[in-house]
Amino acid sequence: NAGVTQTPKFQVLKTGQSMTLQCAQDMNHEYMSWYRQDPGMGLRLIHYSVGAGITDQGEVPNGYNVSRSTTEDFPLRLLSAAPSQTSVYFCASSDGTSGGWDTQYFGPGTRLTVL
Amino acid sequence: KQEVTQIPAALSVPEGENLVLNCSFTDSAIYNLQWFRQDPGKGLTSLLLIQSSQREQTSGRLNASLDKSSGRSTLYIAASQPGDSATYLCAVIAQGGSEKLVFGKGTKLTVNP
Repeated sequence: NAGVTQTPKFQVLKTGQSMTLQCAQDMNHEYMSWYRQDPGMGLRLIHYSVGAGITDQGEVPNGYNVSRSTTEDFPLRLLSAAPSQTSVYFCASSDGTSGGWDTQYFGPGTRLTVL
Repeated sequence: KQEVTQIPAALSVPEGENLVLNCSFTDSAIYNLQWFRQDPGKGLTSLLLIQSSQREQTSGRLNASLDKSSGRSTLYIAASQPGDSATYLCAVIAQGGSEKLVFGKGTKLTVNP
């Protein structure tokens, strides 16, 4: 198993540009989520999904969109990038068989800089 | 609002020492608590998960305890090694369907040879 994969690893955007961060998992996990990690702020939940076709907002959803058309993929879209979105983004998944948020498997992260 | 605090923010110990990392949370109504390890520039690796009904979990040289009533968890690392150097994060899931993993800011551990 590849586990949770994320692409790209690094990205530089200009203010106002849009882009999609890709996340995929091959463990047939129902639960997937996106976090951002900022110095001094820890990890914060952006959006999450409990299954294909179902998504919900986390703690810091503004400026981001998600969709979940398949179990495997959970892309994160930045609609109009802002410098405040400079961060490291992590995708995670868990199998949800014990009621939801069990052991979380994290991807390697995408380091995004918005100029 | 659930808040998770980890003290100390950084810890430096000599190789071979036993050590304890602390995690506290403000709302005791949790579903579970998880400890993660993060190496520089890498993602998070799950170390231990303690369900709310459990008191502790062990994996090799790691032992995590949970005291829900006092809102505390500890991660005990026995016979530390330089390879244990990393940032350790704890996170809780609140009960009641909030379905949100709330993280502490981590303890950066350095084990010196």
